[in-house]
Amino acid sequence: AQKVTQAQTEISVVEKEDVTLDCVYETRDTTYYLFWYKQPPSGELVFLIRRNSFDEQNEISGRYSWNFQKSTSSFNFTITASQVVDSAVYFCAPRSRDDKIIFGKGTRLHILP
Amino acid sequence: EPEVTQTPSHQVTQMGQEVILRCVPISNHLYFYWYRQILGQKVEFLVSFYNNEISEKSEIFDDQFSVERPDGSNFTLKIRSTKLEDSAMYFCATEAGQANTEAFFGQGTRLTVV
Repeated sequence: AQKVTQAQTEISVVEKEDVTLDCVYETRDTTYYLFWYKQPPSGELVFLIRRNSFDEQNEISGRYSWNFQKSTSSFNFTITASQVVDSAVYFCAPRSRDDKIIFGKGTRLHILP
Repeated sequence: EPEVTQTPSHQVTQMGQEVILRCVPISNHLYFYWYRQILGQKVEFLVSFYNNEISEKSEIFDDQFSVERPDGSNFTLKIRSTKLEDSAMYFCATEAGQANTEAFFGQGTRLTVV
């Protein structure tokens, strides 16, 4: 069985602050893939980042960075120097090999000017 | 940049009516999905489709739902007799077929059943 948990329902930060969104993915599979999607107020789902379970190297891409720790099943996503346009719902969306993507419940992020 | 296109963007229908939601996938993609998001809730898997047949379906995808790709391009979701609780945003997603690649989502169709 697979389970994805986004414990943070809603977060509010002031613009320019850094914010980290948490995700825990529990699975018995040793190979899996992790995605983050953003859903702005307009409603579409926008792909942000992708990670393989066998690669724990943390990466930075612009204002986005992610921290994957297989030992704790956590795949956290950080936005540095947040902007008002970052306000959206963020979904952690893992998949096991040859399976469909499943979505966490999402974290609603408010960036306050 | 290639994109997944869904039509219509918004549909209002009376309870009991049939609706067809349409999706044009990215041209070289082989796997197709429908997901549903009831307002304010999480995105839920409905069905996956590959090689002209259903690969997997969730418990939500009961007999009133069907999918097909009749002309090799459009991928459709049909709801035979809509219920109030079918009101949701329906997302089509397509992917090339490798597990480590992301699925590309359409902009969604908002279905309102009255």
